[in-house]
Amino acid sequence: DSGVTQTPKHLITATGQRVTLRCSPRSGDLSVYWYQQSLDQGLQFLIQYYNGEERAKGNILERFSAQQFPDLHSELNLSSLELGDSALYFCASSVVGQGWNEQFFGPGTRLTVL
Amino acid sequence: QQQVKQSPQSLIVQKGGISIINCAYENTAFDYFPWYQQFPGKGPALLIAIRPDVSEKKEGRFTISFNKSAKQFSLHIMDSQPGDSATYFCAASDPTGFQKLVFGTGTRLLVSP
Repeated sequence: DSGVTQTPKHLITATGQRVTLRCSPRSGDLSVYWYQQSLDQGLQFLIQYYNGEERAKGNILERFSAQQFPDLHSELNLSSLELGDSALYFCASSVVGQGWNEQFFGPGTRLTVL
Repeated sequence: QQQVKQSPQSLIVQKGGISIINCAYENTAFDYFPWYQQFPGKGPALLIAIRPDVSEKKEGRFTISFNKSAKQFSLHIMDSQPGDSATYFCAASDPTGFQKLVFGTGTRLLVSP
């Protein structure tokens, strides 16, 4: 158990819908990273937050957005869902957002878009 | 653009044997190289990591070998066990991207009893 929690574990929805994925980092970690894992694209970095502020963006679609709240939990919002958005979504947390720091991954949310 | 190339895609090793997975990177700015182990239905779990100023790091049965000039690094699993059967990902940390991880494509390891 990494100490990172994610909810829900599974999510099944229809095209065009909007969903919210939630992540709680390990106690004491200030940085949250979101990654998408799909069969064709592998593990891809989406976005990073550090102590409530967005720090880095990767291959994140404009239909996707995220935020980190004062209690440091983070939410990833996916809207206007398409079939191709079906994937595993992981968040990872680390103590700091720079320097050599270990990232610990949560169990993921499996999103299925029908 | 794939910045971290990983091979082989799959690997079958007999129990007690040595499993070797290789990775190569392009961006010389990468400053931290972790390996993750992932079981089906689970999140990636940090296994072992190395910095580029070190040529080898060993933790139990797991060893990372790092060749900075060749921009290559590898994971060796000694005395491989059936419980090691999982997918392994190498990664590189990008300091210009606030330490986002760039992952290899993964190696599915099967250790036969």
